[in-house]
Amino acid sequence: DSGVTQTPKHLITATGQRVTLRCSPRSGDLSVYWYQQSLDQGLQFLIQYYNGEERAKGNILERFSAQQFPDLHSELNLSSLELGDSALYFCASSQTSGYNEQFFGPGTRLTVL
Amino acid sequence: SQQGEEDPQALSIQEGENATMNCSYKTSINNLQWYRQNSGRGLVHLILIRSNEREKHSGRLRVTLDTSKKSSSLLITASRAADTASYFCATDAIGGGADGLTFGKGTHLIIQP
Repeated sequence: DSGVTQTPKHLITATGQRVTLRCSPRSGDLSVYWYQQSLDQGLQFLIQYYNGEERAKGNILERFSAQQFPDLHSELNLSSLELGDSALYFCASSQTSGYNEQFFGPGTRLTVL
Repeated sequence: SQQGEEDPQALSIQEGENATMNCSYKTSINNLQWYRQNSGRGLVHLILIRSNEREKHSGRLRVTLDTSKKSSSLLITASRAADTASYFCATDAIGGGADGLTFGKGTHLIIQP
């Protein structure tokens, strides 16, 4: 158990819908990272927040957004969902920004029908 | 885009044998990390090696890093059935301290009892 929690575990929804994925980092970690894992793209970095502020963006679509709250939990919002958004979404946390081990949550499996 | 490339893509060995996986990457890095993933579950952090280190050990794991060749290897000694999983290398690029990790496609390791 990494200490990173993610909810929900599974999510099934329809195209065009909007969903919110939630992540609670390890106690004391200030950085939260979101990753997407799909069969064709592999593991892709989406976005990073550090102590409430957006720190870095990766391959995140404009239909996706995220935020980190004062209690350091983070939410990833996915809107106008398409079939191709079906994937595993992981949250990871680390103590500081960059240069450190990142600890991953169990993931949310999103299925878009 | 994938920075790291693991080799081989798949490896099947007998329990008790040693397993070696290789990773190559493209740009200069601050550190390189190895992760394990069991069948669609979360990633487990195994080991982090910094760019100024050449070798690191953790239990049955041995990681080497050759920055001149931009390559790393992960050796698992005395393999067990529970080591069956996918193994990923991930890099943290220089100048990208705030960026997320860049993952390879992984090596799928099967330990035959």
